[in-house]
Amino acid sequence: AQSVTQLGSHVSVSEGALVLLRCNYSSSVPPYLFWYVQYPNQGLQLLLKYTSAATLVKGINGFEAEFKKSETSFHLTKPSAHMSDAAEYFCAVTWYSSASKIIFGSGTRLSIRP
Amino acid sequence: EAGVTQFPSHSVIEKGQTVTLRCDPISGHDNLYWYRRVMGKEIKFLLHFVKESKQDESGMPNNRFLAERTGGTYSTLKVQPAELEDSGVYFCASSTGTGGDTDTQYFGPGTRLTVL
Repeated sequence: AQSVTQLGSHVSVSEGALVLLRCNYSSSVPPYLFWYVQYPNQGLQLLLKYTSAATLVKGINGFEAEFKKSETSFHLTKPSAHMSDAAEYFCAVTWYSSASKIIFGSGTRLSIRP
Repeated sequence: EAGVTQFPSHSVIEKGQTVTLRCDPISGHDNLYWYRRVMGKEIKFLLHFVKESKQDESGMPNNRFLAERTGGTYSTLKVQPAELEDSGVYFCASSTGTGGDTDTQYFGPGTRLTVL
């Protein structure tokens, strides 16, 4: 069975500080991993995805994530937080023999302090 | 290109009433998914259409929920009769359905359902 665990339901950082959102996954088959973001009053937007190519994945808005098989982790980072990064972030996993459902983590709400 | 659209954006109904949610996928996307997030919990898969056929409905909570996708275009999700625990945000997503690492699900803004 596949599952995703996000550590920390709420993370607060200062503007300009490093953003680190943690995600660990469990999968019996090689996973495809995603980070989605939901800004206030908007839908889910894909930030980045890992699909078994490069282990360091770069996404939109300066975010990146590194797939570490040995740690079963896919943490999301951004070197310098901006006020506009305040949102809820979801780590998710799926597997692709064909198009298939996505399993989401419980979400991490990121707040940015001025 | 228009994204995934959902209607209504908000719906407030009383317990026992019926509500129908609509999703219009991105044009040309054969795959359509419904997900739900109840308050404080994770987003959970409900079901998956490939064109007009239900590919996977393992996430549907009970028989009060009925999803249709006539003609393989837009989809509706009907809840009848609605219960308090049905409150949450209902998301729709679509993808081209080619599978593999090129297939990405694009999400709509969601419908916030409140059952009183």
